[in-house]
Amino acid sequence: RKEVEQDPGPFNVPEGATVAFNCTYSNSASQSFFWYRQDCRKEPKLLMSVYSSGNEDGRFTAQLNRASQYISLLIRDSKLSDSATYLCVVNFGWRDDKIIFGKGTRLHILP
Amino acid sequence: DAGVIQSPRHEVTEMGQEVTLRCKPISGHNSLFWYRQTMMRGLELLIYFNNNVPIDDSGMPEDRFSAKMPNASFSTLKIQPSEPRDSAVYFCASSPRGGAGYTFGSGTRLTVV
Repeated sequence: RKEVEQDPGPFNVPEGATVAFNCTYSNSASQSFFWYRQDCRKEPKLLMSVYSSGNEDGRFTAQLNRASQYISLLIRDSKLSDSATYLCVVNFGWRDDKIIFGKGTRLHILP
Repeated sequence: DAGVIQSPRHEVTEMGQEVTLRCKPISGHNSLFWYRQTMMRGLELLIYFNNNVPIDDSGMPEDRFSAKMPNASFSTLKIQPSEPRDSAVYFCASSPRGGAGYTFGSGTRLTVV
């Protein structure tokens, strides 16, 4: 099983719709989880951290399911500017700064 | 703060030549990471440093790759000799120790012909 696995997509979604991605991770000892966003030919940028209790930032909601070892990202009322690749990121322990990226899920918002 | 600064932004070189990529992390960040990104393999961690010390270099593909961090404000990734399969975007990132603030540089797009 890959360390961090994502559906590569692309997800083609009409503007205004709600879209959700999942990401699974293999190491049950993983401590920290994040979603990054990467625009075409740009560097990845932190979108949001994922907390055990779930967290929301505007139209974005992130959830963690430790039992099933997956995290999710929900985007409501999608905008054209949400078109990007979304990378799932897992840190393997509080003593270890090593983070592993998934290959990303491509999202295209259609006008 | 200017963020993580990488140079050069683009590099085109001939097979067999030595390539040196440079990175200046954000001041105060204790950890520095080198990543390589390709369409096929995504973002791969090559090596990372804590307080200038290499912690994990298991991602370095082979002996042709080497990385150094002589001080807290500078790191290099060297490929010698370069091969066409090394063509990729190489990112440097830094973070505070144990923090979530991983900040990436703009990357170096390397093409080996």
